[in-house]
Amino acid sequence: GEDVEQSLFLSVREGDSSVINCTYTDSSSTYLYWYKQEPGAGLQLLTYIFSNMDMKQDQRLTVLLNKKDKHLSLRIADTQTGDSAIYFCAERYSSASKIIFGSGTRLSIRP
Amino acid sequence: NAGVTQTPKFQVLKTGQSMTLQCAQDMNHNSMYWYRQDPGMGLRLIYYSASEGTTDKGEVPNGYNVSRLNKREFSLRLESAAPSQTSVYFCASSEVVRNTGELFFGEGSRLTVL
Repeated sequence: GEDVEQSLFLSVREGDSSVINCTYTDSSSTYLYWYKQEPGAGLQLLTYIFSNMDMKQDQRLTVLLNKKDKHLSLRIADTQTGDSAIYFCAERYSSASKIIFGSGTRLSIRP
Repeated sequence: NAGVTQTPKFQVLKTGQSMTLQCAQDMNHNSMYWYRQDPGMGLRLIYYSASEGTTDKGEVPNGYNVSRLNKREFSLRLESAAPSQTSVYFCASSEVVRNTGELFFGEGSRLTVL
């Protein structure tokens, strides 16, 4: 999407942490999301963060939100081969229904 | 529960032909969406419908029309297909009122325009 930016590729070693970054544009966004897409499949919600939060942790996943810089990150601890996928960040505009996605980051895991 | 169902799953068209992608959801969601996915471009919003009776343009609406037939169904029509419309199309639904707005996606429709 033209308003949400991500790097296209990330390669990490199995067991290391992965950090996927995203910048968005609507300072009034209410929710920000991370979706995961496995090969040949649709997207599924991985986690989300409400705009009044700075951080959210959910098992191996940590989401950080810097509203001043409009920067969102997803950290996956102890990355496993099953984490290989494309990760999309998305923002829900203040108009409530419009949801825009980034270009996706393809995460690959090295042994 | 079927969730979001889209048809057809695959379609090959010649340039200039028309077709309609169908989408139905059984989760009683108010909002429905059509996205296209192209390599390196992520998901781009074509049109969305915040509620029954309303539709709005997304990022890439040119060459497409939509109809929100009722609360369950949201169709996407290509009136005169072009090779640039070769893509994978995803329909999604969501409940944004007093909710997180999580999108539930269909399995996708792969369209090739020759």
